[in-house]
Amino acid sequence: KQEVTQIPAALSVPEGENLVLNCSFTDSAIYNLQWFRQDPGKGLTSLLLIQSSQREQTSGRLNASLDKSSGRSTLYIAASQPGDSATYLCAVKIQGAQKLVFGQGTRLTINP
Amino acid sequence: GAGVSQSPSNKVTEKGKDVELRCDPISGHTALYWYRQSLGQGLEFLIYFQGNSAPDKSGLPSDRFSAERTGGSVSTLTIQRTQQEDSAVYLCASSLGESGNTIYFGEGSWLTVV
Repeated sequence: KQEVTQIPAALSVPEGENLVLNCSFTDSAIYNLQWFRQDPGKGLTSLLLIQSSQREQTSGRLNASLDKSSGRSTLYIAASQPGDSATYLCAVKIQGAQKLVFGQGTRLTINP
Repeated sequence: GAGVSQSPSNKVTEKGKDVELRCDPISGHTALYWYRQSLGQGLEFLIYFQGNSAPDKSGLPSDRFSAERTGGSVSTLTIQRTQQEDSAVYLCASSLGESGNTIYFGEGSWLTVV
């Protein structure tokens, strides 16, 4: 059974710092991995999608990497801003199934 | 529409009543998902529709839960005889076809059973 873990559960950093969020999964037979952002009381916003054949994806100040063999993904946020404060979730789509398996999320707070 | 639309956004219902939650996916998206997010919990897969194929109902927690998708577009999630433990945010998502495409979520329907 695929399990997705995100560490840390919560992170608080001062504005301007670069930071890394971690995601690990137990079964490397994934189709892709997606990072989402969730603001309080809102739905999920897709940030980056990495296919299993890819190593990384970049969008603006965000960079996501994927190491399928070790079951790890990282989300790198450069020059953090207070508006980046949210819960960040990673999810894997496992091969042979269509559902996403989500981690519990990392609650990020950027302090002005 | 521009995004996945869900209604109602908030619903308070009495224990034992039935509720219907509606999802209107992004136009042209053939794949549709329902997830549930309970307070302090992760996202729990409920059901998946793809085109005219039989839905994957493996995540439905009990026979009180059912979902349908009419005409390959709008979907309705029905919860019969609601219980307090059904209180959660019900999130709908859609994507363009199967497999490797980005999945887009709606804002969710917040259900409170009192």
